[in-house]
Amino acid sequence: QQPVQSPQAVILREGEDAVINCSSSKALYSVHWYRQKHGEAPVFLMILLKGGEQKGHDKISASFNEKKQQSSLYLTASQLSYSGTYFCGTEIDSGNTPLVFGKGTRLSVIA
Amino acid sequence: GAVVSQHPSRVICKSGTSVKIECRSLDFQATTMFWYRQFPKKSLMLMATSNEGSKATYEQGVEKDKFLINHASLTLSTLTVTSAHPEDSSFYICSAGTVSHEQYFGPGTRLTVT
Repeated sequence: QQPVQSPQAVILREGEDAVINCSSSKALYSVHWYRQKHGEAPVFLMILLKGGEQKGHDKISASFNEKKQQSSLYLTASQLSYSGTYFCGTEIDSGNTPLVFGKGTRLSVIA
Repeated sequence: GAVVSQHPSRVICKSGTSVKIECRSLDFQATTMFWYRQFPKKSLMLMATSNEGSKATYEQGVEKDKFLINHASLTLSTLTVTSAHPEDSSFYICSAGTVSHEQYFGPGTRLTVT
């Protein structure tokens, strides 16, 4: 079942913050976050496996709620290079199962 | 992070011909690889799961005789689009999973069928 991503699109000025949400009607095994730039393949950002987990690097972080049904990606002090489409990919089961992707959130950072 | 390569990155072929796309995990072994297809401004659509040493598992609506998948080794999976038609034109991307459940995508192959 496809996770629901919100918002669909967001425009930010450099230095502003954004939050992208990914929700599922069922408890998930894991959530994966990717960023895709136009004409390129998605680039792995991070994976969250545990309920209540928060992780991140630099100014991009993510959380996974206790029920493991919602994840949020936090972009702080956005840079022009953050522009792209962000996808969450979810797994229901453990093991190497295919990811089900949300429809994506198009983020545009302007100067 | 782990590195996955795809070849070719771009291919143009004539209607009725076949095209083979290779996906390799360069610095890790992947017992499972996944093939996705993406249309412009759309999300990734899973086509099939490629398992080393066994038959691929295809998603509903994906013709297995048209999209032939072979997972020859722990580092190589191939997708062959047979008798290609213009509607097969798309961006094809493979991914491979690591033991820590991370999945890394190849750079993708843009197929144009004329």
